[in-house]
Amino acid sequence: AQKVTQAQTEISVVEKEDVTLDCVYETRDTTYYLFWYKQPPSGELVFLIRRNSFDEQNEISGRYSWNFQKSTSSFNFTITASQVVDSAVYFCALSETRDDKIIFGKGTRLHILP
Amino acid sequence: DAGVIQSPRHEVTEMGQEVTLRCKPISGHDYLFWYRQTMMRGLELLIYFNNNVPIDDSGMPEDRFSAKMPNASFSTLKIQPSEPRDSAVYFCASSPRGGGGPREQFFGPGTRLTVL
Repeated sequence: AQKVTQAQTEISVVEKEDVTLDCVYETRDTTYYLFWYKQPPSGELVFLIRRNSFDEQNEISGRYSWNFQKSTSSFNFTITASQVVDSAVYFCALSETRDDKIIFGKGTRLHILP
Repeated sequence: DAGVIQSPRHEVTEMGQEVTLRCKPISGHDYLFWYRQTMMRGLELLIYFNNNVPIDDSGMPEDRFSAKMPNASFSTLKIQPSEPRDSAVYFCASSPRGGGGPREQFFGPGTRLTVL
């Protein structure tokens, strides 16, 4: 069965520090997709990235970067030079190609302190 | 482009009343999902549709919950009768056709339901 674990329930860092959010997943499929979503205090869920299991290249988008390591079944998310606006709950998610469902982790609440 | 639209944004009702939540997906998207979010259980998938057809409703808590999608631009989630434990934020999301696997989902702003 598919499963996503975000072991960090809550993290607090001071503004401008780098922070990494961990995500470990379980699946029996060889083809699958991984996602990250952001949920700011306003409540809506915002899509950040989608990555398929065959693409292990790390991705960078501005201050955001993602490290996908199949060997450890991890898909970690790093925010560089964090800002107060990055404060949110971040969800990692997994989807197997056998269906179209996305299974979400429990989320990591990130506090960026000014 | 308009995103996913949900109404109402807030709903307060009394136990035993019928509640209907509404969703308009992004035009052209083939998939529609209903989720419930609570502190205790996190984000749970209730049901999803593909081309207006329910595909998986295994997440629907019980018979009090029902969902319909009469056309490509409208879906409802109904709770009858409502109970205090149904209090949660209900999200609707839509996604385009895959074409290389499940695609990203775009979420609406959610409906915050409080059942007294």
